[in-house]
Amino acid sequence: ETGVTQSPTHLIKTRGQQVTLRCSSQSGHNTVSWYQQALGQGPQFIFQYYREEENGRGNFPPRFSGLQFPNYSSELNVNALELDDSALYLCASSLDRGLHNEQFFGPGTRLTVL
Amino acid sequence: GNSVTQMEGPVTLSEEAFLTINCTYTATGYPSLFWYVQYPGEGLQLLLKATKADDKGSNKGFEATYRKETTSFHLEKGSVQVSDSAVYFCALTSNQAGTALIFGKGTTLSVSS
Repeated sequence: ETGVTQSPTHLIKTRGQQVTLRCSSQSGHNTVSWYQQALGQGPQFIFQYYREEENGRGNFPPRFSGLQFPNYSSELNVNALELDDSALYLCASSLDRGLHNEQFFGPGTRLTVL
Repeated sequence: GNSVTQMEGPVTLSEEAFLTINCTYTATGYPSLFWYVQYPGEGLQLLLKATKADDKGSNKGFEATYRKETTSFHLEKGSVQVSDSAVYFCALTSNQAGTALIFGKGTTLSVSS
């Protein structure tokens, strides 16, 4: 069974550019959540997708957007990059959107904005 | 809103010492509580969880009990090893926005031989 995978591993962008990060969920999982982890901090919830629909959103501006595909893989798009967007972006998948379901994390994409 | 507060690190221990990492939470409803671990250069892994009051989660010698009366979920291990050196995150699930995980800031544990 393949776990959660993310691509790319590392990315360097300049301020104002746009970026797309990708996540493949674990087999059989229909829910994907995205988190931003700044250096030395805990992950912060960006949004969650359940069966291709947004199922909740954290306190992030609209320039953070996402998509979930029929195979339940997902994308995170960030427009108009700012220096503070530099962080580790984590994707997590779960069997379902229930409150008690374990979320399985991918290794993350390290984004650096110059 | 829902939140998690955990003790700040770093925590530095000698091998075989007793470990406690404190975690308290604020939440509405009945969240599940989790401890995640992040080893150097690796992704977040679930260490243990508890889904209701008085439940005890345990794994790899680590334990934590869901205490609703004190809103706490402290992580303990009786005898730490060098291989336990990592960052530990306490978290809860919240249904305020989907089923988001709300994390504490993390506690770095360093164990020396």
